[in-house]
Amino acid sequence: AQSVAQPEDQVNVAEGNPLTVKCTYSVSGNPYLFWYVQYPNRGLQFLLKYITGDNLVKGSYGFEAEFNKSQTSFHLKKPSALVSDSALYFCAVRDISSGKLIFGQGTTLQVKP
Amino acid sequence: NAGVMQNPRHLVRRRGQEARLRCSPMKGHSHVYWYRQLPEEGLKFMVYLQKENIIDESGMPKERFSAEFPKEGPSILRIQQVVRGDSAAYFCASSQGQVNTEAFFGQGTRLTVV
Repeated sequence: AQSVAQPEDQVNVAEGNPLTVKCTYSVSGNPYLFWYVQYPNRGLQFLLKYITGDNLVKGSYGFEAEFNKSQTSFHLKKPSALVSDSALYFCAVRDISSGKLIFGQGTTLQVKP
Repeated sequence: NAGVMQNPRHLVRRRGQEARLRCSPMKGHSHVYWYRQLPEEGLKFMVYLQKENIIDESGMPKERFSAEFPKEGPSILRIQQVVRGDSAAYFCASSQGQVNTEAFFGQGTRLTVV
């Protein structure tokens, strides 16, 4: 069965510092991986995806993610955090057999000025 | 191109009533997914539908919950005889269906059972 795990409930960084939000996955076959962000009382917004190709994927709002097959990880990164990046971040994997998206438990990112 | 539209945004029901949540997918999308989010928790998959078909309902409670996506009109998530534990945010997402495509989410319906 496909699954993703986000080992940190919360990540705190200072504004201007680099940030990393961790995600590990477990799949059979090729992984199709996604990152989403959720602001309070809003739906999820798509940030980026890894399907194939370059291990470094660039997405919206200056975010990028690094796919690492040997470590089965897909960590979300940003070189310089903004206070407005504070939100709930979800990693997801596509279940190949059914097509549904399976989400991690989410990581709250807190960026302090 | 309008995004995924969910209505109502907020729904209050008394225990024992029925709740109907509607989701209109993005134009050109024929695949719809429903998720439930409890406070301080992640997204729990409920059901995946294609036009007139249920593809995966492994996350749906066995009783009181049903979903449909008719040939015409929005997808409906129906909860009969609601209980307080049904209070949650329900999100709908749509996609074109291929495994390499992302899904787009609606703003959610926040159901409160009093």
